[in-house]
Amino acid sequence: EVQLLESGGGLVQPGGSLRLSCAASGFTFSNYAMNWVRQAPGKGLEWVSGISGSGGSTYYADSVKGRFTVSRDNSKNTLYLQMSSLRDEDTAIYYCAKDRYSNLYGWFDPWGQGTLVTVSS
Amino acid sequence: EIVLTQSPGTLSLSPGERATLSCRASQSVSSSYLAWYQQIPGQAPSLLIYGTSSRATGIPDRFSGSGSGTDFTLTISRLEPEDFAVYYCQQYGSSPWTFGQGTKVEIK
Repeated sequence: EVQLLESGGGLVQPGGSLRLSCAASGFTFSNYAMNWVRQAPGKGLEWVSGISGSGGSTYYADSVKGRFTVSRDNSKNTLYLQMSSLRDEDTAIYYCAKDRYSNLYGWFDPWGQGTLVTVSS
Repeated sequence: EIVLTQSPGTLSLSPGERATLSCRASQSVSSSYLAWYQQIPGQAPSLLIYGTSSRATGIPDRFSGSGSGTDFTLTISRLEPEDFAVYYCQQYGSSPWTFGQGTKVEIK
């Protein structure tokens, strides 16, 4: 069974940094691209970032470009999102989601349960 | 960026009724790379439909997807109690991948 388990969320002050992790199991991690999607309280879904299976290609939403960095450690079956210069509007539940293909351009299935990031002073 | 607009924002229906949800794209979606997700309150989203019309594993056949180009539809033929949720469309053919704002299907 494919499982994705996010961790690392919490309360951080504006301008601060945080690193999220997503531990994957039940599939050959390096064969699939991975994505981060967030959901602000009471709002819809926003794609944040994606990374190819090899880690060689990365993509970002304009809203986080230059502030967030996606990476992966295929030896540890773990996806990361390094977030810096955090703003109030980054407050959201952050989900990791497995892509259907290795090079992105696939649908997202499954999703993790999410980790809450709160940016507040 | 492809903007997806879902309508209606809220659909109030009774169990057993038919639900028709619309998703309109600001430009043509490449190769019908359009998916639908269901989100039950307090839970993560889950995949329903991919490639416009293919049901994900385990999804009952009362769910169907259709459309092409810029206009897509999710149809639930007969609503079951567990279907009352929020539904999102997503395009994954052009970066940045984008989602619609969601349609809430609520019990009338």
